[in-house]
Amino acid sequence: LAKTTQPISMDSYEGQEVNITCSHNNIATNDYITWYQQFPSQGPRFIIQGYKTKVTNEVASLFIPADRKSSTLSLPRVSLSDTAVYYCLVGDMVARGFKTIFGAGTRLFVKA
Amino acid sequence: GAVVSQHPSWVICKSGTSVKIECRSLDFQATTMFWYRQFPKQSLMLMATSNEGSKATYEQGVEKDKFLINHASLTLSTLTVTSAHPEDSSFYICSAMDRGPETYGYTFGSGTRLTVV
Repeated sequence: LAKTTQPISMDSYEGQEVNITCSHNNIATNDYITWYQQFPSQGPRFIIQGYKTKVTNEVASLFIPADRKSSTLSLPRVSLSDTAVYYCLVGDMVARGFKTIFGAGTRLFVKA
Repeated sequence: GAVVSQHPSWVICKSGTSVKIECRSLDFQATTMFWYRQFPKQSLMLMATSNEGSKATYEQGVEKDKFLINHASLTLSTLTVTSAHPEDSSFYICSAMDRGPETYGYTFGSGTRLTVV
């Protein structure tokens, strides 16, 4: 399982773009990169997933460089409701029994 | 999308009693489910992997006799905390993996807040 490293916390203001980078130096060939969001007293919620280059959906973008040793979650124009913990997970989503091991996550605090 | 229902959302029990938490995949079949516990301000800690029709696989340091897991069908896994004590008070979360490979294979339940008094 690839170990991930993220900043422990980040602060931002409403309307700003937030970029959270995750390092995963020992990512394997079959590994995908998935980001989850968790609010207090709730289960994690899927945000975005990618394998390489750039992925964009209605809530975020995910940038993955060619060596795939890191990835950056980009949240455009954050609001107060984006205050949450963001987790980067790396693993082989295709393999049965793949265990989702969570790192410490990044606690994002959005201020007015 | 895939939905995982977890019940109850919160429970308070007396020390020494047992508590059962249910995790259901509502619109897909889940051959594998995972159970986590989370303490305040901490990350999720994987407790065990629940496999339909077979014994659960526990992570190191997790007592299998205290945290009983049953995965009797493709849509239901249960976690029973036996002889609960105050130190078992935590937030328990389950996740389910869909049967086939998908872009994102894990959906999480909303969690169960267990308080042992």
